[in-house]
Amino acid sequence: GDSVIQMQGQVTLSENDFLFINCTYSTTGYPTLFWYVQYSGEGPQLLLQVTTANNKGSSRGFEATYDKGTTSFHLQKTSVQEIDSAVYYCAMREDTNAYKVIFGKGTHLHVLP
Amino acid sequence: EAAVTQSPRNKVAVTGGKVTLSCNQTNNHNNMYWYRQDTGHGLRLIHYSYGAGSTEKGDIPDGYKASRPSQENFSLILELATPSQTSVYFCASGLPGTGNDTQYFGPGTRLLVL
Repeated sequence: GDSVIQMQGQVTLSENDFLFINCTYSTTGYPTLFWYVQYSGEGPQLLLQVTTANNKGSSRGFEATYDKGTTSFHLQKTSVQEIDSAVYYCAMREDTNAYKVIFGKGTHLHVLP
Repeated sequence: EAAVTQSPRNKVAVTGGKVTLSCNQTNNHNNMYWYRQDTGHGLRLIHYSYGAGSTEKGDIPDGYKASRPSQENFSLILELATPSQTSVYFCASGLPGTGNDTQYFGPGTRLLVL
């Protein structure tokens, strides 16, 4: 079945560091991939959606791309700030059931001032 | 104005008791979802609904029931609560298949089962 694997449970960076979070996916169809961000005390919210391989999505200084050859997709930001501290989830719409989205386990980003 | 609201925001229940978590959305979305969030597991889908009167099992439905009496409201029911159901529960709404796949989440309900 479809799956999303997000290995990095916790990432600690200093302000202005480069951020790179990677996920891998498994599906038999054409994936629609997402990155959600969850700030402390809030529900998750959509950060980026990527639907075409090798095309970048961008929002709030974050960029996301996916590589169909390696079935991986990643989120990056050139220079993180303390306000970016949050949990980041990669997610994929299920191919056999378009009503369902599969979430990774989340990466807790802690940015030190 | 918040489009997805949840009540209560915090709940303490006793083992074996009945718990009802409520969700209301003003997005006019057909689809609504209940997830639970646990450290090490991320977000896991419990039940979802295509519209008023429908409920579907998600990936971890055991021990939970759902009810969608109207377009706006979607409830999650724990008939016999257990300590393993201590978690943070999120409701979401969305319109998949329309070109906008975004799910809009509520602020969450923190449930502690003693």
